[in-house]
Amino acid sequence: DAGVTQSPTHLIKTRGQQVTLRCSPKSGHDTVSWYQQALGQGPQFIFQYYEEEERQRGNFPDRFSGHQFPNYSSELNVNALLLGDSALYLCASRRGGGYNEQFFGPGTRLTVL
Amino acid sequence: AQKVTQAQTEISVVEKEDVTLDCVYETRDTTYYLFWYKQPPSGELVFLIRRNSFDEQNEISGRYSWNFQKSTSSFNFTITASQVVDSAVYFCALSEAEGNTPLVFGKGTRLSVIA
Repeated sequence: DAGVTQSPTHLIKTRGQQVTLRCSPKSGHDTVSWYQQALGQGPQFIFQYYEEEERQRGNFPDRFSGHQFPNYSSELNVNALLLGDSALYLCASRRGGGYNEQFFGPGTRLTVL
Repeated sequence: AQKVTQAQTEISVVEKEDVTLDCVYETRDTTYYLFWYKQPPSGELVFLIRRNSFDEQNEISGRYSWNFQKSTSSFNFTITASQVVDSAVYFCALSEAEGNTPLVFGKGTRLSVIA
């Protein structure tokens, strides 16, 4: 049983560009959350998707958007990249309904030059 | 608002020493969950423990133990007889107990165990 997978592993972009990160949840999971982890910091919640809709959102600008597909996989899009967007982006999945454990993927390391 | 504070940024110990990682939290919720995660250099967050706010019993799992004290809003993590493989960044986190609420993480403590 594959866990949470993310692609790509690493990515280098320049300021002003746009980027799309991808996440496949663990089998049986239907809820996906994205977190941003800047260097030396703890992960910060970006948003959560369930039933193809954004259900909760953290304190991130509209440049950060997402999508969830019918197969529960998810994308995180960031427009107009800033140097400060350089971080490890973590995807976490869980089964919706009640409280269920979150499982994290290995992350995508984004570097903005 | 919820907040998690891990005052220790970095800790270095010699192998076989015991080490305690501190975690202090703030929340207005009466029901909540507390967590510890381990992040090795590979980057993936590895779940270690979840504790419900109503359960203040200490827990031991092998060389790991956790001390939850609601009176001081602390949830400390002790590694006994540390090993080099314990070297990682450890995060304490908090979430509401209702539904799929997000995790609020501390800034983490980097533990280095020296052989």
